[in-house]
Amino acid sequence: GNSVTQMEGPVTLSEEAFLTINCTYTATGYPSLFWYVQYPGEGLQLLLKATKADDKGSNKGFEATYRKETTSFHLEKGSVQVSDSAVYFCALSENSGGYQKVTFGTGTKLQVIP
Amino acid sequence: DAGVIQSPRHEVTEMGQEVTLRCKPISGHDYLFWYRQTMMRGLELLIYFNNNVPIDDSGMPEDRFSAKMPNASFSTLKIQPSEPRDSAVYFCASSFSDRVYTDTQYFGPGTRLTVL
Repeated sequence: GNSVTQMEGPVTLSEEAFLTINCTYTATGYPSLFWYVQYPGEGLQLLLKATKADDKGSNKGFEATYRKETTSFHLEKGSVQVSDSAVYFCALSENSGGYQKVTFGTGTKLQVIP
Repeated sequence: DAGVIQSPRHEVTEMGQEVTLRCKPISGHDYLFWYRQTMMRGLELLIYFNNNVPIDDSGMPEDRFSAKMPNASFSTLKIQPSEPRDSAVYFCASSFSDRVYTDTQYFGPGTRLTVL
């Protein structure tokens, strides 16, 4: 079956540091890939997505590139801010048997300190 | 659009009581998902519907849990009887999907359930 593996957290960075959160996946077909973010006390919300190989998703300074050859979708940001502190979820979505099938990773908590 | 609406936002109940969580998806969305989130187990998919029909309920922990979607604008998740280990945040999410591409899930704010 499908699976998503994220790096263990928590990740603690100083403000303006470079961020990478690794995500790899296994899937039977050609999934769409997503990064969701969850701020404290809130539901998950889409951060960025990519629907095919070599696509780059970007939003709010975050980027991730769909790498089919390495089955990866690593999240990066050049300079993090305190307001980026949240839990980040990698996810894949695939059309399976005519239905949408979604798999989430376990989440990586990011803490940015001033 | 108001987004996905969940009620109540907080629920505190005693063990053995029935609990009903409610969700209104975004209008026009054809998928509805119920998730549970805890520190120990993370985010778990409980059940999802397509066009009001349950597609996969393999994540429902046991017979005490049941979910319904009587129409396109309303779904319920019921726990009867509730137990302290059911304490968690329950999220509802909806999405729209054509036959080729799968789309973003939109999450509600969650219901924080505490079973004493």
